[in-house]
Amino acid sequence: GENVEQHPSTLSVQEGDSAVIKCTYSDSASNYFPWYKQELGKRPQLIIDIRSNVGEKKDQRIAVTLNKTAKHFSLHITETQPEDSAVYFCAGVYGGATNKLIFGTGTLLAVQP
Amino acid sequence: EPEVTQTPSHQVTQMGQEVILRCVPISNHLYFYWYRQILGQKVEFLVSFYNNEISEKSEIFDDQFSVERPDGSNFTLKIRSTKLEDSAMYFCASSLAGGGDNEQFFGPGTRLTVL
Repeated sequence: GENVEQHPSTLSVQEGDSAVIKCTYSDSASNYFPWYKQELGKRPQLIIDIRSNVGEKKDQRIAVTLNKTAKHFSLHITETQPEDSAVYFCAGVYGGATNKLIFGTGTLLAVQP
Repeated sequence: EPEVTQTPSHQVTQMGQEVILRCVPISNHLYFYWYRQILGQKVEFLVSFYNNEISEKSEIFDDQFSVERPDGSNFTLKIRSTKLEDSAMYFCASSLAGGGDNEQFFGPGTRLTVL
């Protein structure tokens, strides 16, 4: 089936600490796994993505890792700042040419100053 | 930078009424999508649209829903007879191409409240 599981549902960290959010996907996901950040009342915004031909991608304080064998991918935020506080969604792309996004259930990240 | 736009930002309607949500995708994009997000829940796929026809629709997208691209710029979602459970944020998205690694750009959303 088409399913993406995400954990944890909430995550509270102290400013400067790291945050890790984990997702697993079902078999039929394609080779592209984006991560979206959604602030309250706003649109989801792509923050990083990974394609299955690489195992890790980094962009400043944000990194994503992918384990295709285990069907896991994770978001890592280092040196967290209060403005990182938001809901983070992982997603898998399903459907071939349809290219629909199936989202995880979201993680509410709270960075305490 | 080009953006997806949506109107209205907030729509309040009575149960049983028809609503039309409007979107203007990024101009050179070819694939269009509607997603729904009930308050506090995840974003859910509704429908994808390419070459003036529906490519795929989810179980949520029943006979009360329809989509249309009436001209070269707008992409609309119509709900014929709204129900209380249709209350949600509706996001339009577009992508340049349909391959599995093409970023989808989201609009700001329309908050639909059904009373």
